Amino acid sequence: GNSVTQMEGPVTLSEEAFLTINCTYTATGYPSLFWYVQYPGEGLQLLLKATKADDKGSNKGFEATYRKETTSFHLEKGSVQVSDSAVYFCALNGGGATNKLIFGTGTLLAVQP
Amino acid sequence: GAGVSQTPSNKVTEKGKYVELRCDPISGHTALYWYRQSLGQGPEFLIYFQGTGAADDSGLPNDRFFAVRPEGSVSTLKIQRTERGDSAVYLCASSLGDTNTGELFFGEGSRLTVL
Repeated sequence: GNSVTQMEGPVTLSEEAFLTINCTYTATGYPSLFWYVQYPGEGLQLLLKATKADDKGSNKGFEATYRKETTSFHLEKGSVQVSDSAVYFCALNGGGATNKLIFGTGTLLAVQP
Repeated sequence: GAGVSQTPSNKVTEKGKYVELRCDPISGHTALYWYRQSLGQGPEFLIYFQGTGAADDSGLPNDRFFAVRPEGSVSTLKIQRTERGDSAVYLCASSLGDTNTGELFFGEGSRLTVL
């Protein structure tokens, strides 16, 4: 079945450091891929998405590229800020007409000033 | 309100009791989803409504769990004969129609603790 595997946290970085959070997936067909973020005290919200191979999703300085050959969708940011501290979830949509998402376990990012 | 609203935010109950969790989606969103998030895990799909009908309930763990959405807006997740393993955060999300955009709007969740 479809599944998502992401790197375990917590990830602790200093402000302005480079961030990578790894995500790989297993899926039949051609899923769409997503990163969701959960800031402290808030609900999950969509950060970025990519719907087909080689697409790059980007938002708020974060980027992720849909790599079909390596079944990966790694999240990157060139210079993190304290305000980026949150839990990040990789997810996929197995297709069809619904937004039924399968999530990874989440990665806690803590950015220190 | 503008976002997805879930009540209660916290619920503590005893094993064997009945629990109801409520979700009020964003106005105009016809699709509504329930997820369950256990400690240290990502959200797991429970059930999806399109309008009033449950279009996919494949994630409900057993027949103690049931959800309704009688008027196509507010939804209630009902758990009978609660067990300690039901302790988790129950998340509700809504989206516009059944378009496959992947953008779900989540509430802050209802934390259920079964003693």
